[in-house]
Amino acid sequence: GAGVSQTPSNKVTEKGKYVELRCDPISGHTALYWYRQSLGQGPEFLIYFQGTGAADDSGLPNDRFFAVRPEGSVSTLKIQRTERGDSAVYLCASSSSGTSPGETQYFGPGTRLLVL
Amino acid sequence: GDSVTQMEGPVTLSEEAFLTINCTYTATGYPSLFWYVQYPGEGLQLLLKATKADDKGSNKGFEATYRKETTSFHLEKGSVQVSDSAVYFCALRRENNDMRFGAGTRLTVKP
Repeated sequence: GAGVSQTPSNKVTEKGKYVELRCDPISGHTALYWYRQSLGQGPEFLIYFQGTGAADDSGLPNDRFFAVRPEGSVSTLKIQRTERGDSAVYLCASSSSGTSPGETQYFGPGTRLLVL
Repeated sequence: GDSVTQMEGPVTLSEEAFLTINCTYTATGYPSLFWYVQYPGEGLQLLLKATKADDKGSNKGFEATYRKETTSFHLEKGSVQVSDSAVYFCALRRENNDMRFGAGTRLTVKP
């Protein structure tokens, strides 16, 4: 079956602009996660959805970052007033229920964001 | 807070050499432990996992054992191949599903 998909694969924007990054999880997966990966680093947790609601948004760096998942499937990560420091690869992952610590998270290919 | 520390790279080995990539963790409770791999140009893929102490995860010739007494989850493979060249990430997941990753170790295997 289809895996996690993310669009766009690359996004170049100017400082101060607004961007939206989209994630399509594996069909039927209840849990969805966003991570940010800077060059040479491991992924850093941003936010976790259980269904339509954000169960944990403690990783969002500030109020310029916001994410939604209105129908419990596709999610959009929104970044306002982008800064050069927001440049990174944004990863999305999904898992079937999100209720078991040992559950596998399946990752998408990521969106590479470059803020000029 | 919870964290993962893994062996700094890059690591360069000859084909058929023995591989160890060290990973230690700090966590409250009993996290699940994972190794993910990122091949060139591809996304993160689960390599193996272990959910409780003394469990051994294995896949594609790679192994790692969950050692609670040493808070470690070292990745090993007896004979690496060129196709194993990738970046390897150790990770833990706490009960609230917040996954923490190490910084990654880049492995290059030369023929």
